[in-house]
Amino acid sequence: GAVVSQHPSWVICKSGTSVKIECRSLDFQATTMFWYRQFPKQSLMLMATSNEGSKATYEQGVEKDKFLINHASLTLSTLTVTSAHPEDSSFYICSAWDGGAYGYTFGSGTRLTIV
Amino acid sequence: QQQVKQSPQSLIVQKGGIPIINCAYENTAFDYFPWYQQFPGKGPALLIAIRPDVSEKKEGRFTISFNKSAKQFSLHIMDSQPGDSATYFCAAIAGGAQKLVFGQGTRLTINP
Repeated sequence: GAVVSQHPSWVICKSGTSVKIECRSLDFQATTMFWYRQFPKQSLMLMATSNEGSKATYEQGVEKDKFLINHASLTLSTLTVTSAHPEDSSFYICSAWDGGAYGYTFGSGTRLTIV
Repeated sequence: QQQVKQSPQSLIVQKGGIPIINCAYENTAFDYFPWYQQFPGKGPALLIAIRPDVSEKKEGRFTISFNKSAKQFSLHIMDSQPGDSATYFCAAIAGGAQKLVFGQGTRLTINP
């Protein structure tokens, strides 16, 4: 089946630094990838949709300058949290559309903690 | 109209029981309804999915029942096991490569 690898699985950073999260589709090409944020005991909140070779589409209320998304190839999308602050601490999850029977495949998530 | 409403928020069932999780939607353009299982600290994993032209789908111990006229669908877990304890999300989507609309999630606990 389709596999999406997300890295790192957890990261702790100091306030004010930037952190990059990678999302790779391992055995399929993903023209569309999605980035979610999930707070404890809550549902997934879509942050943005990224299409290979074009600018990401951000959901209302998501700061594009804080959450930079790059989808430079058909197998890789990255989310960079810039000038991170403690309130950016969360669980970030990516997913990719494989265009086939499996539909959407999710990464294993990244636990980001800003101290 | 883009919402998917899921209930209950939490559910505790004894081993062997049949937990049922319900979802309702408004947007008749939705044409694919997946269920995801999420364990703590992990991303969601696709459990089972259904399209609106089918009223029921079974995969192993998991069954989706779909009522198109009522715009409702539900997940049943037969012979539930403690290992099924997880958070379950229903979702809906209108067309391929579009954004999934998630329900609020149900935290399921199966007691031994």
